[in-house]
Parts: sequence; C-alpha cells; structure tokens
Amino acid sequence: AQKVTQAQTEISVVEKEDVTLDCVYETRDTTYYLFWYKQPPSGELVFLIRRNSFDEQNEISGRYSWNFQKSTSSFNFTITASQVVDSAVYFCALSTQGGSEKLVFGKGTKLTVNP
Amino acid sequence: GAGVSQTPSNKVTEKGKYVELRCDPISGHTALYWYRQSLGQGPEFLIYFQGTGAADDSGLPNDRFFAVRPEGSVSTLKIQRTERGDSAVYLCASSPGGGPVDTQYFGPGTRLTVL
Repeated sequence: AQKVTQAQTEISVVEKEDVTLDCVYETRDTTYYLFWYKQPPSGELVFLIRRNSFDEQNEISGRYSWNFQKSTSSFNFTITASQVVDSAVYFCALSTQGGSEKLVFGKGTKLTVNP
Repeated sequence: GAGVSQTPSNKVTEKGKYVELRCDPISGHTALYWYRQSLGQGPEFLIYFQGTGAADDSGLPNDRFFAVRPEGSVSTLKIQRTERGDSAVYLCASSPGGGPVDTQYFGPGTRLTVL
C-alpha cells in the first residue's frame, strides 16, 4: 500500500522567511512518481512538480526548490524568501506505474505567510 | 487553452436525493479521474477512466456512487440516495493518458452539501 505523510499541519511565517514543507512517502514499488500541488484559498489544485523515482536530482524553479532523498523516503519542498501569495495548502502526492496511476495524497500543510 | 471544468460549482441537496456532477476534461486528454476532498483532508481517489471505460473504480465508497464517460470525453459522477456524509468537494482531473504516470490537471471542483 502507498502512503504519504505530511507531518506539519500548519506553518506560519513572516514574509521573506524561507520555509520547508516536509513529505515522507511509503511504497513497495521501485518505480513511482512524486508530486507537489498547491491549493490556494480559491480551491483549485495547481500542479507544481512531478518527479520519478529514478531521478534524485534536486530541482529549483525560481523561489521553489525540491529535495528528493530515496534513502529517507522524503521529498521536501522549500520556498525561499516567502511571499504573501504563497499562502495556501500544499499537498504532496504519490503514484505508482502499472496501476491506475491514481494519486495518493498527504493531508496537506497549510502555509500562512504574514506581511 | 481551456482547463478542466466542472459543473455545478456548488450543489445543495436534501438527504435521499439523487445528484449528478459533471466534468469536462482538457481537450485530447484520454485519462480522467474523480477524487473527493473532505474538509481538512487531502483528495481521495474515487474512479479512473481510460477512454470510455472505468479502468479502476476501487475508490467508490459504495454502490450509491456511479460514474460514466460514454464518449471518452465528458464524465458524470452520479450519487443516489445522498447522505449527509457525502458532503465534500468533488474534484475531477485529467491527463494525456500516454503514460507513464502523466501529470494530472485538476478542475475547480464541485462543492456538494447534503442537508
């Protein structure tokens, strides 16, 4: 069975602080994919990144960066110099190849960035 | 281009009534997914279509829930004899379907309230 744990329920920071959102996953499959989605107050899930299990290179996109470590089954997300517009619920999700490719989501981390 | 659209955006119904929720995927996407999101939780998988057929319906909670995609494009999620516990946001997602494990793009959701 697959499982995603986002232990941080809520995080509150002040604008311009760096913040890291944790994600730990469980799967027995050797081929799997990890995702991060953002859900702003408007409610629509916005895709941020997709990573497969064979690519452990960290990725940076503007102020966003992701740290994938298979040794600890983690796929953490860092926002550098946070902004008020980053306030949202962030979800980490897992999918495995060969099945229905359904996404298994964590419970999400609510990030509030205060001015 | 147009994203995934869902109608209605809000639906209020009474316990015991029948409801239909509609999803219009991104043009050309062959894979379509339904998820349900309860307050404070991550989305939970309901059903997956590849083309016209339901490839995986293991997430449907019981036989009151049914979904169709007769022409391989628009999908309708049908709930019979609604119960108060069915209240949630119902999310639809689509992906190109070429695999492996394509990125899923989500619609804005339908908020269902059962009184």
